[in-house]
Amino acid sequence: VVLTQSPVILSVSPGERVTLSCRASQSISNNLAWYQQKPGQSPRLLIYDASTRASGVPDRFSASGSGTEFALSISGLQSEDFAVYYCQQYLRWPPRTFGQGTKVDMK
Amino acid sequence: EVQLVESGGGFVQPGGSLRLSCVASGFPFSSYWMSWVRQVPGKGLEWVANINHDETEKYYVDSVKGRFTISRDNAKNSLYLQMDSLRVDDTAVYFCAKCEYQLLENSWGQGALVTVSS
Repeated sequence: VVLTQSPVILSVSPGERVTLSCRASQSISNNLAWYQQKPGQSPRLLIYDASTRASGVPDRFSASGSGTEFALSISGLQSEDFAVYYCQQYLRWPPRTFGQGTKVDMK
Repeated sequence: EVQLVESGGGFVQPGGSLRLSCVASGFPFSSYWMSWVRQVPGKGLEWVANINHDETEKYYVDSVKGRFTISRDNAKNSLYLQMDSLRVDDTAVYFCAKCEYQLLENSWGQGALVTVSS
C-alpha cells in the first residue's frame, strides 16, 4: 500500500487551523495512524484507527477518514505543533508503510 | 517510564555487517511485540521489521529480507537487529520501538545512526 501525503510543506501562522491529507493506493478501512516528529526527536503516535487520539494528545488534534482518504486537522496551531506529520497504514502488511510526511512550517 | 536505548550504530563499508541493540526498561518487555523503523537523515520513516514476544513471528520489509535479522533476548530485555551485506542505501537512523495496540509503535528510542560508505 502506497500512502501519499499532501501537501509536502504547509506554511502557517500560530493560531491557524490546518488540514493534512493522506491518500492510500488501496482501501485500508480505518487502519491508519498519524505520527508527529519534531526536529531532533523520535516520532510520537498521535492518532490511531483513523480518528482516535492517543493518550495525552490534545483535543486540538482531530482526524477522520476511511478507505483511501484520510485527514489530520490541527485547530489553533501552537508553536509546539510545528513538526513533520506522517501517516502509517497497518491493514495490509508487511510492510507497514508510512507516507512521505508533511512538514508544518511557521510562516 | 518506558525507556528504549539503542546502541551499536557506526560506520561500515558496503558489504559489511553491524548489530544494533536496544535495551528496554519500564515495562514487561517479554509481553510486547517490538519493531525497528529507520529514517534516512532529513527524509521520511521506513518500517523495517517487527517481532513477536517469543520470536515465533518475524516480518521484514522486502528491501532487507535475507540481509537483516531481528531477534530478542527477553532475559536481557533486549532487542537486536543483525544487519549483513549492508548497502549504501541502508544508511539511516534506526529506531527501536515498543508496539502496542494494533502493533503500532507507541514508544520509541532515540535512534542509532548507521552509515554505510566506502
